[in-house]
Amino acid sequence: KAGVTQTPRYLIKTRGQQVTLSCSPISGHRSVSWYQQTPGQGLQFLFEYFSETQRNKGNFPGRFSGRQFSNSRSEMNVSTLELGDSALYLCASSGLGLRDEQFFGPGTRLTVL
Amino acid sequence: AQTVTQSQPEMSVQEAETVTLSCTYDTSESDYYLFWYKQPPSRQMILVIRQEAYKQQNATENRFSVNFQKAAKSFSLKISDSQLGDAAMYFCATCRGGSEKLVFGKGTKLTVNP
Repeated sequence: KAGVTQTPRYLIKTRGQQVTLSCSPISGHRSVSWYQQTPGQGLQFLFEYFSETQRNKGNFPGRFSGRQFSNSRSEMNVSTLELGDSALYLCASSGLGLRDEQFFGPGTRLTVL
Repeated sequence: AQTVTQSQPEMSVQEAETVTLSCTYDTSESDYYLFWYKQPPSRQMILVIRQEAYKQQNATENRFSVNFQKAAKSFSLKISDSQLGDAAMYFCATCRGGSEKLVFGKGTKLTVNP
């Protein structure tokens, strides 16, 4: 079974631009969560989608948004990029139940210049 | 709100020895889960072990075991017979029951010396 895939793996943008990151969960998984990882703040939860609905949201500004498609693939978008948005963005998927293990993707490394 | 504290930014261990990584947490939830994740230099986060808070028995997975002290809100990870492949960042995390939202500690970087 293929693991969680994230595209692109690396991205360089400039301040003020917007970016869209993609996550394909493990086949059959319906929940997708997004995390931001930085050296200063560590791992922080962004949001979680389940069956195309946002089920949980972290404490990030409205510039961070996401969505999930009917095939469970998810995208997250960051508008008006700031230098502080430079981070590793991790996606995790889990199966049917809330007790299921979350499987993480390799991440997308975003650099904002 | 839930918080997780890992007081050891870095730890080292000799190959084949045992090491214990510390984690304390705070939560007001009665239904919650605790996890240890491993993030090797390649960056893919992997679940090492998990513990349901309602279970008194400590979880074990091969060379990995936890010491879960619920009253003290402590959740340490013991790695026995350490191997070079165990070198990684280790994150302690928690989530409340009914949620997928993980709250992570800052991590402990484990070095395994040959």
